[in-house]
Amino acid sequence: AQSVTQLDSQVPVFEEAPVELRCNYSSSVSVYLFWYVQYPNQGLQLLLKYLSGSTLVKGINGFEAEFNKSQTSFHLRKPSVHISDTAEYFCAVSEGGSNYKLTFGKGTLLTVNP
Amino acid sequence: NAGVTQTPKFQVLKTGQSMTLQCAQDMNHEYMSWYRQDPGMGLRLIHYSVGAGITDQGEVPNGYNVSRSTTEDFPLRLLSAAPSQTSVYFCASTDRESYGYTFGSGTRLTVV
Repeated sequence: AQSVTQLDSQVPVFEEAPVELRCNYSSSVSVYLFWYVQYPNQGLQLLLKYLSGSTLVKGINGFEAEFNKSQTSFHLRKPSVHISDTAEYFCAVSEGGSNYKLTFGKGTLLTVNP
Repeated sequence: NAGVTQTPKFQVLKTGQSMTLQCAQDMNHEYMSWYRQDPGMGLRLIHYSVGAGITDQGEVPNGYNVSRSTTEDFPLRLLSAAPSQTSVYFCASTDRESYGYTFGSGTRLTVV
């Protein structure tokens, strides 16, 4: 069975600093990987996804993530964060070509301070 | 351009009551899912559907029923509410080409 571990439950940073949110997954088969963002009192919005091909994936709002198969990781990065990036971020995985059954990590709360 | 619509947005139930959380999507998506979100637990899959008439259990199905009589609608039924079902519930949909769920805005349920 697949599983997702988000290594940090909270990440505080200052505005304009770089940030990395870490995600590791466990699966015995090939996977698709996703990052979602949840702003306060809202639903989840897809930031980016890795299906195949280039291991560096670019998403919305200046975020990018790198798939590392040997380390089973899919870390999310942004070179310079804004106050408006304050939100909870979820890493998710689906197995073996399945598009519909996602397993989510427990989330990382990113707080951007002025 | 509604996307995924969930009703109600808020609900308070007494222990033992039943209710249905409604979910509708207007994107003709084949796949629909229900998740619950609890603090520090992320999102956990309750039930999912890969098409009209086809449903299956997720990680935490106990106490919930679903049906999918049309492509658009995927209601979640709480049979006999318990305080452990206090949570925020999200419905989501996608199709076989999109590879990324569209989420509703959620239903915040409190069971007292």
